[in-house]
Amino acid sequence: DAGVIQSPRHEVTEMGQEVTLRCKPISGHNSLFWYRQTMMRGLELLIYFNNNVPIDDSGMPEDRFSAKMPNASFSTLKIQPSEPRDSAVYFCASSYGTLRAVKKLFFGSGTQLSVL
Amino acid sequence: DQQVKQNSPSLSVQEGRISILNCDYTNSMFDYFLWYKKYPAEGPTFLISISSIKDKNEDGRFTVFLNKSAKHLSLHIVPSQPGDSAVYFCAALLSLNNDMRFGAGTRLTVKP
Repeated sequence: DAGVIQSPRHEVTEMGQEVTLRCKPISGHNSLFWYRQTMMRGLELLIYFNNNVPIDDSGMPEDRFSAKMPNASFSTLKIQPSEPRDSAVYFCASSYGTLRAVKKLFFGSGTQLSVL
Repeated sequence: DQQVKQNSPSLSVQEGRISILNCDYTNSMFDYFLWYKKYPAEGPTFLISISSIKDKNEDGRFTVFLNKSAKHLSLHIVPSQPGDSAVYFCAALLSLNNDMRFGAGTRLTVKP
């Protein structure tokens, strides 16, 4: 199994530009999570999906952030317009079933985003 | 609001000695706790976990201890090896609403 695949690995953009991060979960997994890692706050949950449906997006910082999961094998996290304070590592993770049942996540390698 | 806290950003130990990583949480409703290990340029990977109904779980060189009254858990690595050098994240799960919260991480360096 290839694991959770994220692209791009690195993204450098200018303030005001649109950024789209992509994630392919492990085949067969039906829960998908987006996390953001910063030095100060560690790993913050932004949003998670179960069976392609957004369940909790309370961690999405602002309206500039949006996430979609059009099918079971693909999800995007979009930031528009991007700001320097959005610079962080963004992780996608997946699991089979809900965390209540599975109790652990499988993470991708992350996207290092730098907004200049 | 940091519900899971790892107050030591870094820890350095000698090879062969014990490494103790600490984690505190504030929400008594958390019912499952996990440790993840992260190498540079990789995502976190699951290491070990413990249910809130237990106070200890052991897996080889790794043992997690849970003190619910103190809302504290720790990860012990014995003996420590250079390959254990990584960032360790503590996580707490509220199973009821599928909510997993992470600490800020502790960077462990094991010196040969």
